[in-house]
Amino acid sequence: DTGVSQNPRHKITKRGQNVTFRCDPISEHNRLYWYRQTLGQGPEFLTYFQNEAQLEKSRLLSDRFSAERPKGSFSTLEIQRTEQGDSAMYLCASSQLGTSGNHEQFFGPGTRLTVL
Amino acid sequence: QQQVKQSPQSLIVQKGGISIINCAYENTAFDYFPWYQQFPGKGPALLIAIRPDVSEKKEGRFTISFNKSAKQFSLHIMDSQPGDSATYFCAVPNTGTASKLTFGTGTRLQVTL
Repeated sequence: DTGVSQNPRHKITKRGQNVTFRCDPISEHNRLYWYRQTLGQGPEFLTYFQNEAQLEKSRLLSDRFSAERPKGSFSTLEIQRTEQGDSAMYLCASSQLGTSGNHEQFFGPGTRLTVL
Repeated sequence: QQQVKQSPQSLIVQKGGISIINCAYENTAFDYFPWYQQFPGKGPALLIAIRPDVSEKKEGRFTISFNKSAKQFSLHIMDSQPGDSATYFCAVPNTGTASKLTFGTGTRLQVTL
């Protein structure tokens, strides 16, 4: 499978615990994005990497959230001291400048987080 | 901050009919305008995208119409099928090189037999 993969697919945790999600982008893609999606809403941008550099972070990304992409390949998103409001689908997408001149983003299946 | 308005919120179409979903944006955007299809429990899948220098793009049963002056674009699904039943999102990239996407609120499409 050459698409974007995310692990785990589901995570149930208790309030106050830390969780970490992993995203493996399409292999030749140099850009990687994290989004969050709550029920009935569209995805909301959290942060984005070009290679290993984190170039932009949304105001939605509180100081309890941290993302890394240490070698410019896979990325991790960690949430510390989880709160019930963190319950959502966390989506990863990747892109590469294509022949169309666009950075069309391809999404993974997401990680569903439930905070009890 | 880009604002994106999508309509309708939900849509019921008979099999073989045409489904039309509209999207409007506020700030000037450049790169491209994609539509995503999402099934329950799955990530959004890129369906079709159009560049702003083109007014229409067709791929199979799916067509994007783009009106740059009105800052609107729409998705037309011809010969709608029950398998098309899903939630559809339009998205607009921010200006600049980041191309982060701002999504619409989604349209839940149901295609009935």
